[in-house]
Amino acid sequence: KAGVTQTPRYLIKTRGQQVTLSCSPISGHRSVSWYQQTPGQGLQFLFEYFSETQRNKGNFPGRFSGRQFSNSRSEMNVSTLELGDSALYLCASSLRETQETQYFGPGTRLLVL
Amino acid sequence: QKEVEQDPGPLSVPEGAIVSLNCTYSNSAFQYFMWYRQYSRKGPELLMYTYSSGNKEDGRFTAQVDKSSKYISLFIRDSQPSDSATYLCAMSAGFYLLGSGNQFYFGTGTSLTVIP
Repeated sequence: KAGVTQTPRYLIKTRGQQVTLSCSPISGHRSVSWYQQTPGQGLQFLFEYFSETQRNKGNFPGRFSGRQFSNSRSEMNVSTLELGDSALYLCASSLRETQETQYFGPGTRLLVL
Repeated sequence: QKEVEQDPGPLSVPEGAIVSLNCTYSNSAFQYFMWYRQYSRKGPELLMYTYSSGNKEDGRFTAQVDKSSKYISLFIRDSQPSDSATYLCAMSAGFYLLGSGNQFYFGTGTSLTVIP
């Protein structure tokens, strides 16, 4: 079974631009979560979607948004990029609604110049 | 106080050594515990998953959970250079409120190097 896939893998943007990242969960998984990982802060939770509904949201500004499609694929969008948004963005999927555990994708490395 | 505390290391051991990695936590509601391995520039890979207290063994890896002390450990026996990575602990309280989703809390990771 294929794992979680994320596109693109690498991205370079400039301040003020916006970016959209994509995540395809493991086949059959309906819960998708997004995380930001930086050397200083570690893994920080952005939001979680299940059946196209955002169920949980971390403590990030409104510039960070996401959505989930009927096939469980998910996108996250960051508008008005700031230098501090440079990070590895990770997507994780869970099989069940109860999310006992999560499986991560390889991540999208975003560099904001 | 952070929900999960993990010594960042770095930890450097000779090949064949037994490695002990640890996390402490403050939320007594946590009942699902995970260890992830993350190689440089890759996503975290699930290594071990444990529910509630006790031990779980998988090959060279053993996960221990002591809920009374709010302390979890990962032991790696006969460590190999290929074990060199960052190890992240993670935990959650579980999905107990329908519709609210579950939230996972991660340690900051321990960097391990196994020297041949």
